[in-house]
Amino acid sequence: QLQLQESGPGLVKPSETLSLTCTVSGGSISSSGYNWGWIRQPPGKGLEWIGSVSYSGSPYYYPSLKSRVAISADTSKNQFSLKLSSVTAADTAVYYCARLSSGYDLRESYSYYYVDVWGKGSTVTVSS
Amino acid sequence: QTVVTQEPSLTVSPGGTVTLTCASSTGAVTSSNYPNWFQQKPGQPPRALIYSTTNKHSWTPARFSGSLLGGKAALTLSGVQPEDEAEYYCLLNYGGAQLVFGGGTKLTVL
Repeated sequence: QLQLQESGPGLVKPSETLSLTCTVSGGSISSSGYNWGWIRQPPGKGLEWIGSVSYSGSPYYYPSLKSRVAISADTSKNQFSLKLSSVTAADTAVYYCARLSSGYDLRESYSYYYVDVWGKGSTVTVSS
Repeated sequence: QTVVTQEPSLTVSPGGTVTLTCASSTGAVTSSNYPNWFQQKPGQPPRALIYSTTNKHSWTPARFSGSLLGGKAALTLSGVQPEDEAEYYCLLNYGGAQLVFGGGTKLTVL
């Protein structure tokens, strides 16, 4: 059974870089047909897509965060990581890692991805 | 910036039927937005329910169904159970990796 586990510091100072790692067990991040993503949820608020990385290591970022985000994959450790720079209090949130599985739309000849497995989440607070 | 809108809250009686919707600021939601639906209970991560408009995961209860309705994505719960009380989120695909969540609907079973 595939499991994802986030890890990293729970407290980050303003203007510094937030770094989180997601360790995947029960499956390989190198398997084709999957992307690996990050989503966050500020306290008492809704979900926000951050971005994802493909099994080949190609990243995709949500436009509003693109200038501050880096997502990468380490196939040797079966992990993928999130780095968010120049953090402020607005970046305080629960950060989730997730697997995206692929489907193929025959009508549109298009491969799409959908989120199916989530980690339990890691709470990150930005404060001095 | 693309905004995805859901009803902030809905109330349903046990055994009843309720439909949650998901609208896009860019126009009608279509199957090419590959709508996803998730359920989140307090203190838990979200759980995937529906993908690509109508498809259920192996763990999705039969009482949940997805559709397109009047230019929106829709999630219908039939025969609502008390344990269905939760926050529900939709997620739309705008091409490439641009995915946008809706603001969520708090469903109360009363």
